[in-house]
Amino acid sequence: AQSVAQPEDQVNVAEGNPLTVKCTYSVSGNPYLFWYVQYPNRGLQFLLKYITGDNLVKGSYGFEAEFNKSQTSFHLKKPSALVSDSALYFCAVRPDAGNNRKLIWGLGTSLAVNP
Amino acid sequence: DGGITQSPKYLFRKEGQNVTLSCEQNLNHDAMYWYRQDPGQGLRLIYYSQIVNDFQKGDIAEGYSVSREKKESFPLTVTSAQKNPTAFYLCASSGGGRIQPQHFGDGTRLSIL
Repeated sequence: AQSVAQPEDQVNVAEGNPLTVKCTYSVSGNPYLFWYVQYPNRGLQFLLKYITGDNLVKGSYGFEAEFNKSQTSFHLKKPSALVSDSALYFCAVRPDAGNNRKLIWGLGTSLAVNP
Repeated sequence: DGGITQSPKYLFRKEGQNVTLSCEQNLNHDAMYWYRQDPGQGLRLIYYSQIVNDFQKGDIAEGYSVSREKKESFPLTVTSAQKNPTAFYLCASSGGGRIQPQHFGDGTRLSIL
């Protein structure tokens, strides 16, 4: 079965330190990968996506993600965390490049950045 | 500004009552989606529509119904058959062309009275 795993329910980092939020996936074929962020009582905001090409993808608010095909991972990273980065982060994969635009979602990782 | 508008932000349902959640987009997107979000369960797809007058069930469609009469609008009705409707409901849309992300509204929180 196709799936997305975010192995950590919560990640805690100190402000100014680098952060990593992990995501692994299991899909057949070439995946299309996404990261979203959700602040309390708000909808999800798109951060970045990987379609093809360079394995390091840069996105909004200083975030980047590294695609690793051999490890089937797409970890979200930021060199220096801010308190305002504290939120819920979701990884998603679109397994179908055709007309079916459904996404498979991870369960989310809560990021807490401590001052 | 283009975006997705969900209304109302908060909604209360009485026993045996159907309620309808509104979702309107002005992004000219073909596809629209409804998700349910419960704590610790991520996003679960209720219904999606890729063109006007057509929609498909998602993973948890029982107790819900939708319509797609206009490209801009994709209302969700939570029927009395949905026995546990308390959740945060999110509407999203996506455009065509190369792989495009989904854009989300700010959600409707539904509670039982």
